[in-house]
This record gives sequence, C-alpha cells and structure tokens, in this order.
Amino acid sequence: GQSLEQPSEVTAVEGAIVQINCTYQTSGFYGLSWYQQHDGGAPTFLSYNALDGLEETGRFSSFLSRSDSYGYLLLQELQMKDSASYFCAVSDSGNTGKLIFGQGTTLQVKP
Amino acid sequence: ETGVTQTPRHLVMGMTNKKSLKCEQHLGHNAMYWYKQSAKKPLELMFVYNFKEQTENNSVPSRFSPECPNSSHLFLHLHTLQPEDSALYLCASSQRKAETGVPRQYFGPGTRLTVT
Repeated sequence: GQSLEQPSEVTAVEGAIVQINCTYQTSGFYGLSWYQQHDGGAPTFLSYNALDGLEETGRFSSFLSRSDSYGYLLLQELQMKDSASYFCAVSDSGNTGKLIFGQGTTLQVKP
Repeated sequence: ETGVTQTPRHLVMGMTNKKSLKCEQHLGHNAMYWYKQSAKKPLELMFVYNFKEQTENNSVPSRFSPECPNSSHLFLHLHTLQPEDSALYLCASSQRKAETGVPRQYFGPGTRLTVT
C-alpha cells in the first residue's frame, strides 16, 4: 500500500523554528512535495525535493533523504500567518502529475 | 488566485437531488484532478484526467460521475448522495509532465458540499 505519516498537530511561538516530519512508504518514488492550506482555503505549493538534501526558499526549507524514506519541512522565524495545515505529498511517477498526500499537520503559531 | 476556479463555492443538497460541480483552469495544463477533503482526513484523490481521458478512478462510488469535455473544464456530477459525502471537493490541475520536472498542482478554492 501507499502511506505517508506526519504528526497531526504542532504548536510553536512566533519567531521560533519548527520542523514537520514526513515518512513515506509508496510503491514508487519520484519526489516529495509540501503544500500549505489555510483554514477554508486551497492547498498551495511550497517546495519540492527530488534529490537528497536541503532546498531553501526564504523562511521555508525542505529536506529529503531517499534512503530513509523521510523528509521534513523547516519553518523559520515563525509568523502568525504561518498557522495552517501542511501536507507532504509523494510523486510516485515522473510521467504524471499525480500526488499521494499525507494526512496533514496543523501548525498553530502562538504570540 | 491560482488560475483554477470552482463553482459553486457552497452547495447544500438533499439525498435525492442531482447537482454538478464545475472546475475551470486557465493555465494551459493537460491534467486535472478531483479530490475529496473531509474533516481530519487527508486529501483523497478521486479521479485523474490526462488530456481529457480518465486515467484513474480511486474506487469512487458511482453516485459521483466525472466529465472532462476538454482540457480546461472538469465536472463532477452528483446524484443520490449520502450524508457522509459532505466534504470539501477540490479540483486541481497540472502539467502531466512538467518542463521544470516539478509536479506542481494548482488547486481551486473548493466547493463545500453539505448533504442533508
């Protein structure tokens, strides 16, 4: 089967750093993506890793270890507006845009 | 604004009604998707269309019937739904094989469906 595991909830304070982990078991693996979804909103793309290592985009970074079937999203200098749900998603093929999503992590940022 | 629109944004229907959800993408993509998102559950992929052809149906009950008349439009026809079908229905689009190599999906705002 296909499964992705993420923590269900994470809480942090403004200005802090938080890491959201994702482990996956899928029949194929092409890359790992991260999406953000605010309450009542649409998921929006944050980052993508196809190779091992760290990808940095402003305050957000994403890491992948293919040998460990593991990745994480790192959010730095947290702001209140970062309160949202974060989903990891696996591409199991390079020939389609199809994604398999994890159950999502709700991040609450407190003042 | 992601370039993917969905109508209606909210829908309340009885179990005997027939209704349709509409999705339109203005991004020139060639793949479109329907997802169901229930409270406290992950995004559940329902259907995948590539170049207007259905390539995936994830064991979705027949009371949900998709239609893709062209690569820009996607419909989800609903009939004799159950209360447990109440959820947020999200449409997304992407390039089937992106030139950048990044399989990025663009989501619409969703239709909040309540079945009474």
